[in-house]
Amino acid sequence: KAGVTQTPRYLIKTRGQQVTLSCSPISGHRSVSWYQQTPGQGLQFLFEYFSETQRNKGNFPGRFSGRQFSNSRSEMNVSTLELGDSALYLCASSLLPSGRQNTGELFFGEGSRLTVL
Amino acid sequence: GQNIDQPTEMTATEGAIVQINCTYQTSGFNGLFWYQQHAGEAPTFLSYNVLDGLEEKGRFSSFLSRSKGYSYLLLKELQMKDSASYLCAVWNQGGKLIFGQGTELSVKP
Repeated sequence: KAGVTQTPRYLIKTRGQQVTLSCSPISGHRSVSWYQQTPGQGLQFLFEYFSETQRNKGNFPGRFSGRQFSNSRSEMNVSTLELGDSALYLCASSLLPSGRQNTGELFFGEGSRLTVL
Repeated sequence: GQNIDQPTEMTATEGAIVQINCTYQTSGFNGLFWYQQHAGEAPTFLSYNVLDGLEEKGRFSSFLSRSKGYSYLLLKELQMKDSASYLCAVWNQGGKLIFGQGTELSVKP
């Protein structure tokens, strides 16, 4: 079956702009979580969605937002971009939400690499 | 606070055994994971420990001691393709997955 698909794979924006990233989970998976990966901070949790509801949120400013649609596809948006937002944004899907799984396996997409100039 | 520590870099020789350590301090504990990430690729799941002890999966084993807040990933019969970043992650009480910075492993011939 198809894996987690993220689009776009690469994008360049300038400070002050906004960006929307998309994630299509594995068919049948209803939980989608987002992570920011940078060389200095590693992988940091942004938010998790299950059945169109945000279940958990990391410690990021309100400029970072997300949503999930009825088909489980998810989008995240970053407004008023800053240089420090340059990162690889990873999406991961799983069948059940965190805390209700017994294997812990998350399936990651290859990420969207955002560069802010 | 939440803190997961693992070495930044390690080097090992092809065919050898390497142990990557991870110590954690998190608000609650619901399981510990190891992921492998090759450069430019998505992280892939290696192992999940929720009870103390050793879990073995082929050349890879993972150990957990909850009382010590400690885990390690053991890689045997190292191959060149094992050169990658190894990420330790803990599910905290709130259901958030907290990652360490990752250990960059270089396998040399």
